[in-house]
Amino acid sequence: ETGVTQSPTHLIKTRGQQVTLRCSSQSGHNTVSWYQQALGQGPQFIFQYYREEENGRGNFPPRFSGLQFPNYSSELNVNALELDDSALYLCASSFRTSGSLAYEQFFGPGTRLTVL
Amino acid sequence: QKEVEQNSGPLSVPEGAIASLNCTYSDRVSQSFFWYRQYSGKSPELIMSIYSNGDKEDGRFTAQLNKASQYVSLLIRDSQPSDSATYLCAVANFNKFYFGSGTKLNVKP
Repeated sequence: ETGVTQSPTHLIKTRGQQVTLRCSSQSGHNTVSWYQQALGQGPQFIFQYYREEENGRGNFPPRFSGLQFPNYSSELNVNALELDDSALYLCASSFRTSGSLAYEQFFGPGTRLTVL
Repeated sequence: QKEVEQNSGPLSVPEGAIASLNCTYSDRVSQSFFWYRQYSGKSPELIMSIYSNGDKEDGRFTAQLNKASQYVSLLIRDSQPSDSATYLCAVANFNKFYFGSGTKLNVKP
């Protein structure tokens, strides 16, 4: 069974640039959630993708957007990068069915983004 | 008010003792509750999930849920130095997940 993978591991960008982060979900999983984790804080929920559609969003501006592909992998795109976007970006995958209320999420290793 | 509150610690316990970690949440309609462990520089690792009031045991770990009090706890029996990490409480309401800031646990040999 293959776990959740993310790429790249580290990334350095400058303010105003755009970035794309990638996530491959664990085998058998159909849902991907993205989180931002600043140093010393817990992960903050950005959004979730289920059946290739955004299905739940946290308090993040529209410049944070995403995609989910038919193979359930996902991308997180961030436009107009700001210094405060520097953080660890985590992807978590899970298996859920429509209407399910309880499903466990498993995290990938994360992408460390630094904005200069 | 934050959705999920945890004492940041650090919580220090001697090896072999019971470590007790606590978490409160604000949204009464929350349905699912999770405990994750995060080692420094690593991603969160799922320890346990709990969905109903009461206790759930898995090895050295026991999760406790009290929805009326909006309270979740994690007990670690026979604590080991390898348990030293930050423990994150997560609360889910259907398709939104909220994490606390975590409690740092130090288990002293």
